[in-house]
Amino acid sequence: QKEVEQDPGPLSVPEGAIVSLNCTYSNSAFQYFMWYRQYSRKGPELLMYTYSSGNKEDGRFTAQVDKSSKYISLFIRDSQPSDSATYLCAMSVTDFGNEKLTFGTGTRLTIIP
Amino acid sequence: GAVVSQHPSRVICKSGTSVKIECRSLDFQATTMFWYRQFPKQSLMLMATSNEGSKATYEQGVEKDKFLINHASLTLSTLTVTSAHPEDSSFYICSAQDTGGPNNEQFFGPGTRLTVL
Repeated sequence: QKEVEQDPGPLSVPEGAIVSLNCTYSNSAFQYFMWYRQYSRKGPELLMYTYSSGNKEDGRFTAQVDKSSKYISLFIRDSQPSDSATYLCAMSVTDFGNEKLTFGTGTRLTIIP
Repeated sequence: GAVVSQHPSRVICKSGTSVKIECRSLDFQATTMFWYRQFPKQSLMLMATSNEGSKATYEQGVEKDKFLINHASLTLSTLTVTSAHPEDSSFYICSAQDTGGPNNEQFFGPGTRLTVL
């Protein structure tokens, strides 16, 4: 069993729709949870990180963590064509900066104008 | 945000040759850099952690004699794939930790696509 499971998609939604991206994990030691966005031929860029259960909001993005279910989500409101990218979840046991990150496979998202 | 570059972005080589990939932090110093590998439709997998001035730490199953890592300065780490074989064909991506930043964040390079013929 993989430590982090993520549906690779592809996922296509119309512009303006709410997007829901999800990951599950098996290692209960994970404490830090991140979402990265990766455009084609670019490196991943950090969108959001959190280290507690609950919701964290940043503009159109909301990260949700449920440690009891080992489930994390990223919601994108009012989706835009510029949101089209691959979204990767990542997790670490301690401080995510100098700690090994365990990634999901990434979900390829396309927002249709 | 901080910028990390990689060179080359794409390389094609013959089986048995060695390939060097550079990872540079352009506007910050990074005592720690990480090397990841991503096969098609698979996760980014950490290969090794590179610490400036000391030996790299390799993940289980990664051959340290095949994947040579040198982190000679605070802005440069190199990964050399020695005696490359077709099964080494992959997307290699580095990240650098900005210890001077507010979140200790890792910043990723754009990746290097290696194809071994």
